[in-house]
Order: sequence, then structure tokens, then C-alpha cells
Amino acid sequence: GQNIDQPTEMTATEGAIVQINCTYQTSGFNGLFWYQQHAGEAPTFLSYNVLDGLEEKGRFSSFLSRSKGYSYLLLKELQMKDSASYLCAARGSNYQLIWGAGTKLIIKP
Amino acid sequence: DSGVTQTPKHLITATGQRVTLRCSPRSGDLSVYWYQQSLDQGLQFLIQYYNGEERAKGNILERFSAQQFPDLHSELNLSSLELGDSALYFCASSGGTGQAGEAFFGQGTRLTVV
Repeated sequence: GQNIDQPTEMTATEGAIVQINCTYQTSGFNGLFWYQQHAGEAPTFLSYNVLDGLEEKGRFSSFLSRSKGYSYLLLKELQMKDSASYLCAARGSNYQLIWGAGTKLIIKP
Repeated sequence: DSGVTQTPKHLITATGQRVTLRCSPRSGDLSVYWYQQSLDQGLQFLIQYYNGEERAKGNILERFSAQQFPDLHSELNLSSLELGDSALYFCASSGGTGQAGEAFFGQGTRLTVV
């Protein structure tokens, strides 16, 4: 079957580092996406991985292991504005996106 | 600004009514997706169109239908509305401009059924 799992909620402290994990099962695999969504707003694209390894973009990095069906999003130097939901989505061989339910990240001062 | 335009931004209507939500994709994007997001829930995929043809169907109710027109804009029709249909409806487009084929989301239409 096709499935995405990610934690429902995480809490972290301003200035710290947090890692949000995502495991996936798809029919074929054609890339893993991370999106950020503030409450009541549209999701916005953060990162894309299709090959194993780490992709770094400023304070945000995303990692992929295709053999393990696993990805994580790493957020460094957390800021209050990073409080949001983080959505993991896997694209299958038919180019369909399978979405996780999202991880709500709460940043505390 | 993602380049995806959705209208209207807000809609309040009564149970049993019918509404139409409209989406204009990013220039060059051939795929349009519709999603429903209820309060504090994840994105529920409804339907995808590619260049005017239905490409994939998710958990779309029979009371809901959609189409994509030759100019690539899309409409989502919701009929016989129920209280439980109150949600944010997002349109997204992809395929023409994203480096990774990522989807770009419109700002959504917030539907309230009373």
C-alpha cells in the first residue's frame, strides 16, 4: 500500500535544533517533498530529495534514505516564526503525491 | 505569491446549496490538484487534472465534481452541501515551472456551510 508516517506534534526551544522524521511507502518512488504550512495558510515548498543524502538550504536541511523509505527535515537556529505544520509528501512512479498528515511544531521561548 | 489564484477567498452558504470554486494555475503548469483541509487536519487529495483530462481521483465525494478548461483554469463544484463540508479548499498546480516538479498552492477558499 501507500502510506506516509510522521509525528503529530513536536515541541522545541527557540535557538535549538529539531529533526522531523518521515517514513513512506509508495508504489515506485519519484521524490520526497517537505512543505511548511502556517495555520490557515497555504503550504509552501521547502525542499525536494530524490537521491540519497542531505540537501542543505540555509537553516533547513532535508535528508533521504531510499533503501529505508525514510526522510527527515532538520531545522537549525529555531525562530518563533518556524512554529507551523511541516508536511512530508512522497511522489510515486505515477507522479502522484502521497501526503502525510503533517507535524505541528511548537517553538517555545 | 505562488502564482496560483483561487476565488473566492471566503464563502458562506447554507446546507443543501451548490457552490463553485475557481482556480487559475501558474503560467505553464499543466497539472491542477484540488485538496480539502478540515480544521486541524491534514490535506485530503480530491482530484487531479492534467491538460484538461482527469488524471487521478482521491477521496472525492459523488456530490463533488471538477473540470479543467482549455485555458487550464479549473473549477470544483460542491453540491448538496452539508455542515461537514466546511473546510479550506486548496488548489495547487505543477509541471511547468517548478525545478523539481513541486506543487504550488493557492491561498485557498474557506468554505463555511451553515
